[in-house]
Formats: sequence, structure tokens, C-alpha cells
Amino acid sequence: DAGITQSPRHKVTETGTPVTLRCHQTENHRYMYWYRQDPGHGLRLIHYSYGVKDTDKGEVSDGYSVSRSKTEDFLLTLESATSSQTSVYFCAISESGGTGTEAFFGQGTRLTVV
Amino acid sequence: AQKVTQAQTEISVVEKEDVTLDCVYETRDTTYYLFWYKQPPSGELVFLIRRNSFDEQNEISGRYSWNFQKSTSSFNFTITASQVVDSAVYFCALSEKNTNAGKSTFGDGTTLTVKP
Repeated sequence: DAGITQSPRHKVTETGTPVTLRCHQTENHRYMYWYRQDPGHGLRLIHYSYGVKDTDKGEVSDGYSVSRSKTEDFLLTLESATSSQTSVYFCAISESGGTGTEAFFGQGTRLTVV
Repeated sequence: AQKVTQAQTEISVVEKEDVTLDCVYETRDTTYYLFWYKQPPSGELVFLIRRNSFDEQNEISGRYSWNFQKSTSSFNFTITASQVVDSAVYFCALSEKNTNAGKSTFGDGTTLTVKP
């Protein structure tokens, strides 16, 4: 199994509070991604990183920010959580981009915003 | 823009039946990659197979087989003699080479229930 750890695994937070989710990998893969999974929407890309300090937006990036200060860690921050951000968040890693390598996923973080 | 459509939201079969999951994709790239992932009830996403746009050879792996047809932009997945353990959500995904970052667009998933 790919070494990907997401923390926390479950979190309940109040509307308006900041929340940070962490993704840690031990595979030394260059590419990291944050997806959210909602019923009826599959997985949608929030942000991704193609190297340390190199990040870019995905299709549903509003209200989220990311940071990658080390190869192994990719943080997702909800700056002011809203109920619409209640979701399951998956981190994924990929060895290379643009060459069709598959992604390996973390176990997911279930976030509930009340 | 890339798009993946899994028209079947839910499928229910009885054990030992064959079942095919449909995937239709849209892309303007000539080089792209298609994937199937499985998400069992435990929630993790597991990679099943990858195909690139230059390789239309269909593949069989045990009870699983995949049918890639560029002419119809389809990448269908068949489970032969289904088993209860095959019950899961199956996602088809597309990644374009020109994205240069391995980003994938996922379909909405097909929930497969295999009844004993």
C-alpha cells in the first residue's frame, strides 16, 4: 500500500471556523492532490501540487487554500468553513504528471460543518 | 475540457451474473489516459486499471475485463461471474497529457450491488 496518511480522519467543526487537513506521504512522489467527494458528484479536484511550493487550483477551489512546504506534506485549509464544505476529502499522490501514472489515495477525511 | 460520464448510477445484480459498467469520455487531447478505480464500502479508493489513448488492446484480468473503443469514446468495464465482494462504487477517470500534472477528471461513479 502507498504510504499516505490523512489527518484527522473525522472532524466536526462550526461554521466560520478555519480548518486544516493534512496529507502526509512517504513515497516521495512529486504530485499531490486534494479531492472532495460528494453524493452525485464523484470526486472533484480542489487543488493540486506539482512540487514544493508549487500549487494550482482545481475545479472547486473557492474557499480553500493549500500549502506544500515539504515534499511529504500537503495541507488543505478551509479559511472559514461553511456547511457546503461538508464532504469527504481525499488526498492523492502520483509519481509523475502527464504520463498517465495512476493516483494513490489516502483513506479520506470526513468533515462535517455544523 | 475533459468530461467523464457514467450514465449508470446504480446497478444491482445477483451473484454469478456478469455486469458491465459503462464509461464515456470527452477530450480534445490526442494523448490521454483512462482509469478505473474501485471504492468498496470501507471507503478507500483502489486503482484497478490504466489505459493510454494509443493502446486499444482490450484486457482481461481474472474476472475483470476492459473494453476500450476510441471510435465511441468508451472505456467499459465488465465483471464476469460477479461476487458479493465486488459490491462497491466504481469510478472511471480521465487524465489528459497536456495537463502535465496528472490531474484526473472523475465520473460520478456507478454503485454496484451484488446480492447473494
